[in-house]
Amino acid sequence: GQQLNQSPQSMFIQEGEDVSMNCTSSSIFNTWLWYKQDPGEGPVLLIALYKAGELTSNGRLTAQFGITRKDSFLNISASIPSDVGIYFCAGLMDGGSQGNLIFGKGTKLSVKP
Amino acid sequence: DAGVTQSPTHLIKTRGQHVTLRCSPISGHKSVSWYQQVLGQGPQFIFQYYEKEERGRGNFPDRFSARQFPNYSSELNVNALLLGDSALYLCASSLQANQPQHFGDGTRLSIL
Repeated sequence: GQQLNQSPQSMFIQEGEDVSMNCTSSSIFNTWLWYKQDPGEGPVLLIALYKAGELTSNGRLTAQFGITRKDSFLNISASIPSDVGIYFCAGLMDGGSQGNLIFGKGTKLSVKP
Repeated sequence: DAGVTQSPTHLIKTRGQHVTLRCSPISGHKSVSWYQQVLGQGPQFIFQYYEKEERGRGNFPDRFSARQFPNYSSELNVNALLLGDSALYLCASSLQANQPQHFGDGTRLSIL
């Protein structure tokens, strides 16, 4: 099935570090979403972006909707241990009366040994 | 307020059997979507229902079907189960069909 290109696939963080990840698509989306999934749980919505160029924050998380509408970026500042998990970007295919999500493969955040 | 609830949480079936998964959306949400997530991948869209009508269907065989009830809850049915159907099945709800979706914790389906 169709998936977005999300990078990096995985990264190790040390507490206090800033983290960046991005997502690109060959298709244009009207809405970009970022989710976090912990083991054994469903994805939890972190940030929703509705307008090209939009920059939105949720605590230490900041996400941007790319100008071309084909990409999005997520930054986490001053990471803490509970930031560990898998982060997914998703584009909302908006057909007016319907909307399904196209997901990236995820970025796995782990703690540096 | 309760989030999206799914049942059962885990299920083990054998090849050829049939399975029904259930989902209750967040109160007030009229749209329910189903996704399949295999290990190491992002969720893949299966169906979307809004106001009890199918509004979208992903690239899944006809063995997969779903419906939405008047109270906006939903069922996903899978017939003639194959080993490859082993996955986490996620349900998501939203206020309207084209709005951000909130997920339940899924049903882990294992096919032996």
